[in-house]
Amino acid sequence: DQQVKQNSPSLSVQEGRISILNCDYTNSMFDYFLWYKKYPAEGPTFLISISSIKDKNEDGRFTVFLNKSAKHLSLHIVPSQPGDSAVYFCAASLYGNKLVFGAGTILRVKS
Amino acid sequence: DAGITQSPRHKVTETGTPVTLRCHQTENHRYMYWYRQDPGHGLRLIHYSYGVKDTDKGEVSDGYSVSRSKTEDFLLTLESATSSQTSVYFCAISESPGSSGNTIYFGEGSWLTVV
Repeated sequence: DQQVKQNSPSLSVQEGRISILNCDYTNSMFDYFLWYKKYPAEGPTFLISISSIKDKNEDGRFTVFLNKSAKHLSLHIVPSQPGDSAVYFCAASLYGNKLVFGAGTILRVKS
Repeated sequence: DAGITQSPRHKVTETGTPVTLRCHQTENHRYMYWYRQDPGHGLRLIHYSYGVKDTDKGEVSDGYSVSRSKTEDFLLTLESATSSQTSVYFCAISESPGSSGNTIYFGEGSWLTVV
C-alpha cells in the first residue's frame, strides 16, 4: 500500500514556463513533506521541505504547497530551466527520521 | 555535500552468493539508512540504524541484514543474493529527530547486478 503517490511518471515543460509536480498521500499523521531531486548516476539531493502546520514554503524558484484537507502537495518551479531536468521524488516523514518516498516524476525542460 | 562514501559503487555477483555493501560517513550523524531504488517504486527503506548496534527494519527488509559497530560505518549484507535484489542501493544519513524537515542526505549509490 503506497502511502505517498506521484501519479505522473513524467512531465515535459518548455524552458521559462512553470513546472508543477504533484504528490498525494494517505496518512494524515505525516508531519513533514520533502522534495528530492535526482540526476542520473547520482544520489538524491534535498530540494525543499514543508511542515504539516504550514501551507506554503518558498525558496528561490521553488515553492511547495500543502493542502492537508486534500492530502495533496505540489512543487512549483518558476521559471523552469534545462538544468532542472531530473527525477523528482516526493517524500513524507512520520514521527522522526524515516522517510516514505513516492515513485518519482521525470521532469524534462526543453530549451 | 554530505560526507558519505559507498563501496563498492558497482558490483556483479552470482545468485546465491553473499554480498556486503559498505557505507562510511564523516558527519558523525546518529541515523543511517539503506534504501533501494527500483523503477516504479521510488526509494524504499531496507533497514536503518539509530545508533551503534541499534538497528531496525524498513519496509523491504527480507533477505537483508545490517550491522553498525561504529558510528561512521553501516554495512548492508545480502546473505544469499537473488535476481530480485538487482537494484541501486543508497546509503543515507541524518541528524537526531527534531531537526528541521528531518532532512536525509544520500550517498551516490551502489549498483548491484545479480546474475
